[in-house]
Amino acid sequence: AQKITQTQPGMFVQEKEAVTLDCTYDTSDPSYGLFWYKQPSSGEMIFLIYQGSYDQQNATEGRYSLNFQKARKSANLVISASQLGDSAMYFCAMSSNTGKLIFGQGTTLQVKP
Amino acid sequence: DVKVTQSSRYLVKRTGEKVFLECVQDMDHENMFWYRQDPGLGLRLIYFSYDVKMKEKGDIPEGYSVSREKKERFSLILESASTNQTSMYLCASSSDSGENQPQHFGDGTRLSIL
Repeated sequence: AQKITQTQPGMFVQEKEAVTLDCTYDTSDPSYGLFWYKQPSSGEMIFLIYQGSYDQQNATEGRYSLNFQKARKSANLVISASQLGDSAMYFCAMSSNTGKLIFGQGTTLQVKP
Repeated sequence: DVKVTQSSRYLVKRTGEKVFLECVQDMDHENMFWYRQDPGLGLRLIYFSYDVKMKEKGDIPEGYSVSREKKERFSLILESASTNQTSMYLCASSSDSGENQPQHFGDGTRLSIL
């Protein structure tokens, strides 16, 4: 069975510093996708970044990058130069070829001024 | 940009009522999903649909049903609402069933059952 684990319920980071949010996964599927979503207090889920299991390069989208270590089954999100607007809950998710997503429990990030 | 619209941001209903949560997407996506989100449990899949008039049970379908009569609209139905269905409900859509397609979410409906 597929599983996503986020072990950090809450994190603090100083404004302008970088922060890493951890995500490990477990699957027996050879092909899968890994996603990160941001959920502000207003409730909407915002898609941030995607990494395919066969991608050789780590994904990047602006200040977001995904540190993909396939052998360790980890897909950590790195946010560089944190901003106050980055304060939110962050979810890691994994898909299989059915298109369904399995979500982790989330990490709440607070950016301090 | 993909737009997924949920009919209500906040909803209060009474135990035993039949409750309809509506979701509409404007990108001609084949796939649509309903989740509920509870503190400490993350998002859990209730039902999903890969095409019109098709539906599949997710991980927690008990107490819910769905309807997809048109491609753009996916409705979640609580046949007889109970207090343990008080939750945040999120609708999502995606373009196909491949593993590299992100799901795009609506703003969510915070449902309270009294």
